[in-house]
Amino acid sequence: AAGVIQSPRHLIKEKRETATLKCYPIPRHDTVYWYQQGPGQDPQFLISFYEKMQSDKGSIPDRFSAQQFSDYHSELNMSSLELGDSALYFCASSAYRGGEQFFGPGTRLTVL
Amino acid sequence: GEDVEQSLFLSVREGDSSVINCTYTDSSSTYLYWYKQEPGAGLQLLTYIFSNMDMKQDQRLTVLLNKKDKHLSLRIADTQTGDSAIYFCAEKSGNTPLVFGKGTRLSVIA
Repeated sequence: AAGVIQSPRHLIKEKRETATLKCYPIPRHDTVYWYQQGPGQDPQFLISFYEKMQSDKGSIPDRFSAQQFSDYHSELNMSSLELGDSALYFCASSAYRGGEQFFGPGTRLTVL
Repeated sequence: GEDVEQSLFLSVREGDSSVINCTYTDSSSTYLYWYKQEPGAGLQLLTYIFSNMDMKQDQRLTVLLNKKDKHLSLRIADTQTGDSAIYFCAEKSGNTPLVFGKGTRLSVIA
């Protein structure tokens, strides 16, 4: 069965650079969630989209923005990167808002 | 706000049963989940339980829910070395995002 696809899987950036993470949900899933997992931490919710509209907002810094496109894929844009942004970034999708969330493999971002 | 708590470490011998415990504070939680995360890997949904259920069994996994005490447990029967991972308890109510516990690191000793 198709799963959530995230790209890239690994990303290394310098401080103050920008990064774009992409998420392709499971086909026919219309809801996408973004989570950040710092080293040794639990995943923290950042933001979610339902039917291409932002539906919930968590602890997402103002330096970050995200959107969901007409094909339901989503991108997380991160600017002015800081060392503390180094983390695993997970995308999850669900078939409907409030449904079971299936996670992608994550993008490991390292900020040097 | 919502809070989910788990013990951080659990060590068991291969073949024994593992019981991972979780408590949560949000009485309106409608769904409770267990995710497994192996080193450097993503989050794998293991099982979930609706808040109106007491128990759910799925092969080697048994989930028990005590809604009165807001206590959730995951029992893994016949624990194998491949079960070594971090197990996250998570809850949500309705359409809200998942709230995760800190995770329990399960070590299986051969």
